Amino acid sequence: DAGVIQSPRHEVTEMGQEVTLRCKPISGHNSLFWYRQTMMRGLELLIYFNNNVPIDDSGMPEDRFSAKMPNASFSTLKIQPSEPRDSAVYFCASSYNRNQPQHFGDGTRLSIL
Amino acid sequence: GENVGLHLPTLSVQEGDNSIINCAYSNSASDYFIWYKQESGKGPQFIIDIRSNMDKRQGQRVTVLLNKTVKHLSLQIAATQPGDSAVYFCAENPRGGGNKLTFGTGTQLKVEL
Repeated sequence: DAGVIQSPRHEVTEMGQEVTLRCKPISGHNSLFWYRQTMMRGLELLIYFNNNVPIDDSGMPEDRFSAKMPNASFSTLKIQPSEPRDSAVYFCASSYNRNQPQHFGDGTRLSIL
Repeated sequence: GENVGLHLPTLSVQEGDNSIINCAYSNSASDYFIWYKQESGKGPQFIIDIRSNMDKRQGQRVTVLLNKTVKHLSLQIAATQPGDSAVYFCAENPRGGGNKLTFGTGTQLKVEL
């Protein structure tokens, strides 16, 4: 079975550039989550969608971050403009419903120089 | 200045011994709990879950125990193997919290040969 698919796996770019991270959730899952993981702060929820609708974006750090889910099989997380402090591993996860496990992709390792 | 990251508790066990990883959760309204395993360079991987109407659940070589009185969750791994070396996270889903999970800071399990 295909799991959550994220791309790219690694991204290195200069500060000020736009970064777009992509996620394909598991087919049939109706909830999608974007997380950020750093050594300093651990695993943080940025935003989550239910049936393609953003439900809670309270974890999005600032207006430079935006996320979309145009359909049930695709989501993007965009950072514009990027800053060095955005360097982290970004994970996407999906789940079928509440009280069902979230399944994670292998993440995008983002480095902003 | 020096970059200080999260201090992960570490559990070191001998290969073949049983491991017990503990987690104190925060929200008495949580009714669903999950254990994840994260290996270096990968996303968190679902191990086992338990609902609040249970106090024990067993999987293959793993057992999760839930003590709601003291808000404590534990993961027991039988006959620990080198491949079990990873960071283990507990997560809770509060009732009324939608599909959001709250993650613990993690425990590093090191298996010594």
